[in-house]
Amino acid sequence: SQQGEEDPQALSIQEGENATMNCSYKTSINNLQWYRQNSGRGLVHLILIRSNEREKHSGRLRVTLDTSKKSSSLLITASRAADTASYFCATNQEAGTALIFGKGTTLSVSS
Amino acid sequence: NAGVTQTPKFQVLKTGQSMTLQCAQDMNHEYMSWYRQDPGMGLRLIHYSVGAGITDQGEVPNGYNVSRSTTEDFPLRLLSAAPSQTSVYFCASRPGPGEKLFFGSGTQLSVL
Repeated sequence: SQQGEEDPQALSIQEGENATMNCSYKTSINNLQWYRQNSGRGLVHLILIRSNEREKHSGRLRVTLDTSKKSSSLLITASRAADTASYFCATNQEAGTALIFGKGTTLSVSS
Repeated sequence: NAGVTQTPKFQVLKTGQSMTLQCAQDMNHEYMSWYRQDPGMGLRLIHYSVGAGITDQGEVPNGYNVSRSTTEDFPLRLLSAAPSQTSVYFCASRPGPGEKLFFGSGTQLSVL
């Protein structure tokens, strides 16, 4: 089945550094979404980028989408310890179908 | 609004027992989904619904049943629990196609 695959699986950085996570997917999509999950909690939506968009910003988050390469990246600038969490990309193949998630990237930000 | 509410938060079953995981949302969302999360596997879609009376299978539907008699509720049934169903289960909903998901807080299920 279609699934986003995040890279790297785990990332450790210092506070103030930037964190970049990548997502690759297999087939054409309607949109791609990024979610965050703190340990032991449910997922929280971060940002949605549609297939006709190339870049989107939300606060310290920057998402890019390259449909020709079937890939997306999530950049968190000036990371904080509170950004420590798992981050998942999810793809929506076409309107009306459910979101399919990748396996996630675990980000650890140390102070 | 309470959002998406899942019950119970924790459950221990013996192999072969049956149970229902409850999910309710008060946002009048048409779409509802069930996912399971296992270490190293991310979230995998079990079943989903695009409206009352309409359900469909996801990536890992075997061993699970769902129904959607109302817009608000989307219960997940395990007819005969197996140890392989030990997992954390998340229910999620969204207003319409292509929109973002709102997640419940999860149910941690152990099958012995």
